[in-house]
Amino acid sequence: GEDVEQSLFLSVREGDSSVINCTYTDSSSTYLYWYKQEPGAGLQLLTYIFSNMDMKQDQRLTVLLNKKDKHLSLRIADTQTGDSAIYFCAEGGGSYIPTFGRGTSLIVHP
Amino acid sequence: ETGVTQTPRHLVMGMTNKKSLKCEQHLGHNAMYWYKQSAKKPLELMFVYSLEERVENNSVPSRFSPECPNSSHLFLHLHTLQPEDSALYLCASSQLERGVGEKLFFGSGTQLSVL
Repeated sequence: GEDVEQSLFLSVREGDSSVINCTYTDSSSTYLYWYKQEPGAGLQLLTYIFSNMDMKQDQRLTVLLNKKDKHLSLRIADTQTGDSAIYFCAEGGGSYIPTFGRGTSLIVHP
Repeated sequence: ETGVTQTPRHLVMGMTNKKSLKCEQHLGHNAMYWYKQSAKKPLELMFVYSLEERVENNSVPSRFSPECPNSSHLFLHLHTLQPEDSALYLCASSQLERGVGEKLFFGSGTQLSVL
């Protein structure tokens, strides 16, 4: 299997919450990241969490980390059409080369 | 100009051409990366230049040749490419501190089509 796995698609209605899930395999991962890629653009770092934390909140974004199950999630509250993008999970072992998943395409419809 | 700038944004080339992709970062970072993004595949690291070393993915064909003349500029030289090399090529930079620097800043990419 791949080191970082994500589902490929998620469709939500505008105003609902979106939850994007990710699993990783490296138990020594020190940092877990979420990146966002809008059409025609590169990836943009959205948020990250240290492995000794289990939750981080930043405005509409909530990151949950279950280190025992190696499961990371990104919750977007009150999802807007502008949130439509590809979301990448990445894990880092404390070096400078993160490992990325394939990305989850979030589609927000009215 | 701020952030990470890549040129050209789009490139169409034949299999016998030679071309180069350019990346420039204005963030004062000390590491630069080339990634390949193909549809439905994980983001593929191709090359990394940091302060002290160059790291390369051994699966990258020799028809791709990187060059990093200084900490702000990165090139990817292309020659005799194949149609399967068509993809979005992303440049990124990061600031290494005590060997850690996984907060990457990406450019908008070069969309490459090989005919």
